[in-house]
Amino acid sequence: TQLLEQSPQFLSIQEGENLTVYCNSSSVFSSLQWYRQEPGEGPVLLVTVVTGGEVKKLKRLTFQFGDARKDSSLHITAAQPGDTGLYLCHGDTGGFKTIFGAGTRLFVKA
Amino acid sequence: NAGVTQTPKFRVLKTGQSMTLLCAQDMNHEYMYWYRQDPGMGLRLIHYSVGEGTTAKGEVPDGYNVSRLKKQNFLLGLESAAPSQTSVYFCASSYKGSGGIEETQYFGPGTRLLVL
Repeated sequence: TQLLEQSPQFLSIQEGENLTVYCNSSSVFSSLQWYRQEPGEGPVLLVTVVTGGEVKKLKRLTFQFGDARKDSSLHITAAQPGDTGLYLCHGDTGGFKTIFGAGTRLFVKA
Repeated sequence: NAGVTQTPKFRVLKTGQSMTLLCAQDMNHEYMYWYRQDPGMGLRLIHYSVGEGTTAKGEVPDGYNVSRLKKQNFLLGLESAAPSQTSVYFCASSYKGSGGIEETQYFGPGTRLLVL
């Protein structure tokens, strides 16, 4: 069974702090995506990383894909209350059976 | 464009009852998916479809059936609901881009199902 393990499962921080969320697997992915989900809504794509070692930045969010394409990290600089939500990583093995991690629930206190 | 819509938004069933969840997308996507989301377990794939008239099993297909008679619609059926099927159900659609890399999965707002 292919697994995507996310850590930490829950994170509560003060506004302005930095944080990193991790997504790890023993499987190799052709691409990996990060989604954010807010309460009562479906997940919304943040970024897709494709190349091993790739780093993408989206304002205060930095995404990195591991060299071996088995893991990824999401770093948020100077977190804001609007960053609160459930962050999900999603691995594409090239087939149609998609794999989601269990998610990291982030709460940013003002 | 409405994107991905799901009906109903919320439903309460008694054990043994049946129901159908409807997903519709207006983006002409080939691929559609049904997931369930439970606390601490992320999104688990129930069934998926790679095109009109085709369906396939995902990670947790037992107790569910699906149909894709039209490209824009993907139906999820529960023939005899059980309390273990209490969950939030999400539908998603996507397409494969050039090079076989999956493009964004677009999700609906979800259906909350409670089975008593």
